[in-house]
Amino acid sequence: KNQVEQSPQSLIILEGKNCTLQCNYTVSPFSNLRWYKQDTGRGPVSLTIMTFSENTKSNGRYTATLDADTKQSSLHITASQLSDSASYICVVSVDTGRRALTFGSGTRLQVQP
Amino acid sequence: EAQVTQNPRYLITVTGKKLTVTCSQNMNHEYMSWYRQDPGLGLRQIYYSMNVEVTDKGDVPEGYKVSRKEKRNFPLILESPSPNQTSLYFCASSSRAGINTEAFFGQGTRLTVV
Repeated sequence: KNQVEQSPQSLIILEGKNCTLQCNYTVSPFSNLRWYKQDTGRGPVSLTIMTFSENTKSNGRYTATLDADTKQSSLHITASQLSDSASYICVVSVDTGRRALTFGSGTRLQVQP
Repeated sequence: EAQVTQNPRYLITVTGKKLTVTCSQNMNHEYMSWYRQDPGLGLRQIYYSMNVEVTDKGDVPEGYKVSRKEKRNFPLILESPSPNQTSLYFCASSSRAGINTEAFFGQGTRLTVV
């Protein structure tokens, strides 16, 4: 069964600190891996999209890495801000006709002043 | 502004009373889909549409219907809602340009069935 597992489930950090979120997946056939940010009560917003040939991609203070061999990805947030408080969702795209997305259950990040 | 618009944002209804959640996108996207999000679970796909008049079941289609008569609209229909359909629903769209294209999500519809 295709699965996407994220850790930790929740995380509290102080403003200005860095943090790293993890994602392991068993999805096959793999097409791409995405990280989304979801503010409470809002729709997910894309941060990065990486294909199997890419091993890192940045979007401002967000840097995603991908190891397609070990099927692991991480999202690193640098110099966290209060506005980074949100859920971060790892999503893997399956390379089939219906363009299915398999979602992790997310990591809830809280940045405290 | 490029966006996916869902209505209503919040809805409380009673078991068995038919309802429709609308979804509209202004990006001329071919691909649209519906997801539900439940606590502790990732978003799960309900139905998707590759283009006008082309729809198919996702992972959790039971109890739902969809239609795609126009490219911009993709309504989700609950013919006889039940309490287990209480959830947060998201509509999403993306272009047909390729599987690596961006998916845009609506703001969500929080549905409570009592």
